[in-house]
Amino acid sequence: DQQVKQNSPSLSVQEGRISILNCDYTNSMFDYFLWYKKYPAEGPTFLISISSIKDKNEDGRFTVFLNKSAKHLSLHIVPSQPGDSAVYFCAASAEGGSEKLVFGKGTKLTVNP
Amino acid sequence: KAGVTQTPRYLIKTRGQQVTLSCSPISGHRSVSWYQQTPGQGLQFLFEYFSETQRNKGNFPGRFSGRQFSNSRSEMNVSTLELGDSALYLCASSLDGTGIRGYTFGSGTRLTVV
Repeated sequence: DQQVKQNSPSLSVQEGRISILNCDYTNSMFDYFLWYKKYPAEGPTFLISISSIKDKNEDGRFTVFLNKSAKHLSLHIVPSQPGDSAVYFCAASAEGGSEKLVFGKGTKLTVNP
Repeated sequence: KAGVTQTPRYLIKTRGQQVTLSCSPISGHRSVSWYQQTPGQGLQFLFEYFSETQRNKGNFPGRFSGRQFSNSRSEMNVSTLELGDSALYLCASSLDGTGIRGYTFGSGTRLTVV
């Protein structure tokens, strides 16, 4: 049973526009969420996180939104740049982040110049 | 400080053989987690080691095993290789294995089974 779901395997966006990557989770115990970015032939790198006590967290061009009632989070990238083209993984943890991370399958983002 | 080092980067093996992959975590990190990445399945958790003990295990067959040494370096072994074992194997290092501090990943070992 997949507890963290990224239902869109791929997303294509024009440079300068907004990219929205979605993630759903089923385990109500999850209360800490992270996004990782992965380029080919490299390991994933941490991008941004959010705790369930918040509904929004911003870091530059990246904003993560959390809707606890819908068990849904999204990553917004504004404006999108060609260098943002990568696979994005959503991850979740329980117990305030004290449990191990559970990852989604990833969404491949392509930003076209 | 040095990042997470995985060796080798690439490996080609024949069905039925066995393979050992190595991971050196960031200095001071005591937790090492292993993941298998395939195009259709994303990042699937294999197991986690903390202070030389396996603390968590994913849903993989017993052909997949691992260990951790006193210096926190970890090895992963796959016996009786199958074609479906072809994947990118990623090692993640963290201070204590908890999500709140995030994980630092290595670049992975690309295993191809022919």
